[in-house]
Amino acid sequence: DVLMTQTPVSLPVSLGGQVSISCRSSQSLVHSDGNTYLHWYLQKPGQSPQLLIYRVSNRFSGVPDRFSGSGSGTDFTLKISRVEPEDLGVYYCLQSTHFPLTFGSGTKLEIK
Amino acid sequence: EVQLQQSGAELGKPGTSVKLSCKVSGYNIRNTYMHWVNQRPGKGLEWIGRIDPANGNTIYAEKFKSKATLTADTSSNTAYMQLSQLKSDDTAIYFCAMRGGLDYWGQGVMVTVSS
Repeated sequence: DVLMTQTPVSLPVSLGGQVSISCRSSQSLVHSDGNTYLHWYLQKPGQSPQLLIYRVSNRFSGVPDRFSGSGSGTDFTLKISRVEPEDLGVYYCLQSTHFPLTFGSGTKLEIK
Repeated sequence: EVQLQQSGAELGKPGTSVKLSCKVSGYNIRNTYMHWVNQRPGKGLEWIGRIDPANGNTIYAEKFKSKATLTADTSSNTAYMQLSQLKSDDTAIYFCAMRGGLDYWGQGVMVTVSS
């Protein structure tokens, strides 16, 4: 199985600040079709995960441009600028290039 | 608007089975894969498997091959997951999700296994 190593585990932030979350995979996430199926989600307390970024860098419908994704191969980053209270929760990366699909272990964004 | 409505909380005894449902509105499930994901109390997300409702083809994570059975009814636009031989460590929230990036998620259903 592809191991997704997500860091940090916890990320204290000041409102209005900027943070980055890293997700590294144990093998390349480039699919044979040329796409890279690495996605980012936010799970707010008591809610379902919600898709933020799909295929590395594409913002899902309604996601503010404060969220951006980048990376390639095995190394990926989610950046959040101008952090707002609604951004707090646990962030997960997911790879869907290889079966079984595997998630990172999560990064908890909390107020400093 | 796409919505996934999951069935209510379940309490099952060890050794029994439960069947969860996920009714989709605003999108034809024939045109997507339906995934199932679990989350044990206080833990992260774990992919269980997916079904192609158009033909019934399924793929499971190895550890769920004898635990979960995925089905779908295109006439009612509903996906199902049966969990068999329940054990205490099956206690979790179970989510359905759809589309390639797991774009849309159900609200989750709590399954509690207890005698």
